[in-house]
Amino acid sequence: GENVEQHPSTLSVQEGDSAVIKCTYSDSASNYFPWYKQELGKRPQLIIDIRSNVGEKKDQRIAVTLNKTAKHFSLHITETQPEDSAVYFCAAETGTALIFGKGTTLSVSS
Amino acid sequence: DVKVTQSSRYLVKRTGEKVFLECVQDMDHENMFWYRQDPGLGLRLIYFSYDVKMKEKGDIPEGYSVSREKKERFSLILESASTNQTSMYLCASSFELAANEQYFGPGTRLTVT
Repeated sequence: GENVEQHPSTLSVQEGDSAVIKCTYSDSASNYFPWYKQELGKRPQLIIDIRSNVGEKKDQRIAVTLNKTAKHFSLHITETQPEDSAVYFCAAETGTALIFGKGTTLSVSS
Repeated sequence: DVKVTQSSRYLVKRTGEKVFLECVQDMDHENMFWYRQDPGLGLRLIYFSYDVKMKEKGDIPEGYSVSREKKERFSLILESASTNQTSMYLCASSFELAANEQYFGPGTRLTVT
């Protein structure tokens, strides 16, 4: 079955720096890759997703890149702000469900 | 605006008790999911349902069962609660089964003593 590996598990940056979180997946049939953000004490919420027919997608300060050949995708956050501090989860679809990575705790210090 | 609600935010139960966690969504979504979230382990799928009375096992179904009698409601049942089931339980719903946004509930923090 699908396996999703996410790195790093924790990431600390200074406000204004960029942050990159990387995920790899095992099932070459996966075609949908969402990223969820979970702030402390709150529910996970979708922040961006990408489908296999595109290599990159941007939404203001966040972007996701996908390399289907290498089976990895990454989340890029530019000009980080304290409100970006949260746990980020990547996921890959299996056809019937999403398999999530173990999460990255991002801390942005001002 | 999609709304997914869960019956309790915090729950404390004793070992061996039967526990019911309920989830309700108001967006007429076909698909509903139950996850457990543990530190360092991410979100792990317990069960999902793609229609009323239909259910499928996820990655960690042992010790759990589910019920979906109405489209908007999906229940997770712990037949005989054990201490290793102490966790955060999150419900989610979506329009499509996999390649679509999932909307999560606020979670239920279950402690089994």
